[in-house]
Amino acid sequence: ETGVTQSPTHLIKTRGQQVTLRCSSQSGHNTVSWYQQALGQGPQFIFQYYREEENGRGNFPPRFSGLQFPNYSSELNVNALELDDSALYLCASSPGGGNEQYFGPGTRLTVT
Amino acid sequence: AQSVTQLDSHVSVSEGTPVLLRCNYSSSYSPSLFWYVQHPNKGLQLLLKYTSAATLVKGINGFEAEFKKSETSFHLTKPSAHMSDAAEYFCVVNPTSGTYKYIFGTGTRLKVLA
Repeated sequence: ETGVTQSPTHLIKTRGQQVTLRCSSQSGHNTVSWYQQALGQGPQFIFQYYREEENGRGNFPPRFSGLQFPNYSSELNVNALELDDSALYLCASSPGGGNEQYFGPGTRLTVT
Repeated sequence: AQSVTQLDSHVSVSEGTPVLLRCNYSSSYSPSLFWYVQHPNKGLQLLLKYTSAATLVKGINGFEAEFKKSETSFHLTKPSAHMSDAAEYFCVVNPTSGTYKYIFGTGTRLKVLA
């Protein structure tokens, strides 16, 4: 069974640019959540997708957006990057009806 | 509002001695509670979860946690620390059943001394 995978591993962008991060959920999981983990902090919930629909959002501006595809993989898009967007972005998938989340290794985004 | 507080940002123990990582939560409902571990440059791994069944929860790698509603606590323990336990530990609350909007604590960095 393949776990949650994310790509790319690392990314460096310039302020004002746009970025797309990708996540493949664990087999059989229909829910994907995204988290932002700033250095030295706990992860913060960005949003969640369930069967291709957004199913809850944290306290993040609209320039953070996402998609979920029919195979339950997901993208996180961030527009107009700011320096404070530098963080580890974590994707987690969950089985339908389950309670625990399974996390990918993350994408480390650096904005310069 | 739901929240979780990890009472220690850093804990140091000697190898072979007990580990105690403290967590208090605030929730209007009967929450689900989790402990995750994060090794350097790695993702988060689930150690254990509490979902209103037995109050003493056993997890992987010898860790366990006890849910105490009266104290709103969910402390993580291990009888004997191993060098490989050195990592960041996060206490997590999922305040609403059927959703996955985890609220993380700020983390406790565990250092294990030889």
